[in-house]
Amino acid sequence: DAKTTQPTSMDCAEGRAANLPCNHSTISGNEYVYWYRQIHSQGPQYIIHGLKNNETNEMASLIITEDRKSSTLILPHATLRDTAVYYCIVRVQAGTALIFGKGTTLSVSS
Amino acid sequence: EPEVTQTPSHQVTQMGQEVILRCVPISNHLYFYWYRQILGQKVEFLVSFYNNEISEKSEIFDDQFSVERPDGSNFTLKIRSTKLEDSAMYFCASSLKQGDNSPLHFGNGTRLTVT
Repeated sequence: DAKTTQPTSMDCAEGRAANLPCNHSTISGNEYVYWYRQIHSQGPQYIIHGLKNNETNEMASLIITEDRKSSTLILPHATLRDTAVYYCIVRVQAGTALIFGKGTTLSVSS
Repeated sequence: EPEVTQTPSHQVTQMGQEVILRCVPISNHLYFYWYRQILGQKVEFLVSFYNNEISEKSEIFDDQFSVERPDGSNFTLKIRSTKLEDSAMYFCASSLKQGDNSPLHFGNGTRLTVT
């Protein structure tokens, strides 16, 4: 699976949009981009995933560049409860394991 | 919303003892996974399981580990002879197989402490 690069940490003010970047310059045409987050020591929580089109759900939006070499997870109105480690993962096909990196620690403050 | 359930939430065992961690995956899911996270470290993949057999495993998943789906609802991870370094959070996950809409859904883990 392709490797991803994320900033180690980011800060965001409560109520503002949090934009978390991810580089995956070696992504293949059949690899999906997944985003998960982990709050404290809870289990990783699925946020969103996409192949090449932008995606939106009740939690977040995923913007994938046209060349698919990078993506951005957008939390439109961050709250204190969004403080977590966010993982960007590329995955080749359904059923294969997700391999977690170190992720981005997002700190939301009031 | 359906969720993955893990029991117990915390287990303490002595070095050398066998331990079984239990998981109830989401009912219509077909793929099952175990991950672990040592305190302060990354979430690490251990094993995936499909159609009653291991489909993928990592280097961590050595002979002291085994997995089983003993009935239609449970998925277990057995550690035969626990070591101090097995102390970690163990997460179970499950996913649908078909199509691209198959994210893994994780339970909240079992904290294993080996003394």
